[in-house]
Amino acid sequence: DIQMTQSPSSLSASVGDRVTITCRASQGISNYLAWFQQKPGKAPKSLIYAASNLQNGVPSKFSGSGSGTDFTLTISSLQPEDFATYYCLQYNTYPLTFGGGTKVEIK
Amino acid sequence: EVQVVESGGGLVQPGGSLRLSCAASGFTLSDYHMSWIRQAPGKGLEWVANMKQDGNEKYYVGFVKGRFTISRDNAKNSLYLQMDSLRAEDTAVYYCVRYYGSGRPWFDPWGQGTLVIVSS
Repeated sequence: DIQMTQSPSSLSASVGDRVTITCRASQGISNYLAWFQQKPGKAPKSLIYAASNLQNGVPSKFSGSGSGTDFTLTISSLQPEDFATYYCLQYNTYPLTFGGGTKVEIK
Repeated sequence: EVQVVESGGGLVQPGGSLRLSCAASGFTLSDYHMSWIRQAPGKGLEWVANMKQDGNEKYYVGFVKGRFTISRDNAKNSLYLQMDSLRAEDTAVYYCVRYYGSGRPWFDPWGQGTLVIVSS
């Protein structure tokens, strides 16, 4: 199975900060990587697919990059509504596997 | 509006069975690959099963193989997850998610989820 290692597991940031979350795959997955945002008590929301493609309606402050084994999710200017937990998912190979999550908290 | 609504969760004893349902609206379920994804209380997301558009290709995470079965009723535009031989570690909120179709991945919509508690 492909292991997805997300880092950091949590971070504290201020409104307006630029935030970067990384996800590393245990083997190459091309660009079959998605990112999700989850707020407490809510279902996840899809942000990005194919490593860098924004889902419809997702603001451009979110961006993704990477290919192969190393990927990043960047939030250009953190806003109060962005405080949440973020997950990566590889869908290159079954079983699909998620990263452990990154909790973004207010500093 | 494109949406899915899960149901069928509840409290079940270890070794018991449950059948989860996912009613889709706003899109034709059989046009897409569909997924079940779960989240144990306070834990991360975990993919459980996929069904391809053709309805014949099905994929499962290792620890549910032989215990869970994904299926679909096209007439009802609904997806199902039959869960047998349930274990305490299967306790989670189970989500039904549209996975792939029309040449691209969707991972949307997500329903509100249905909670399964396996406990004596």
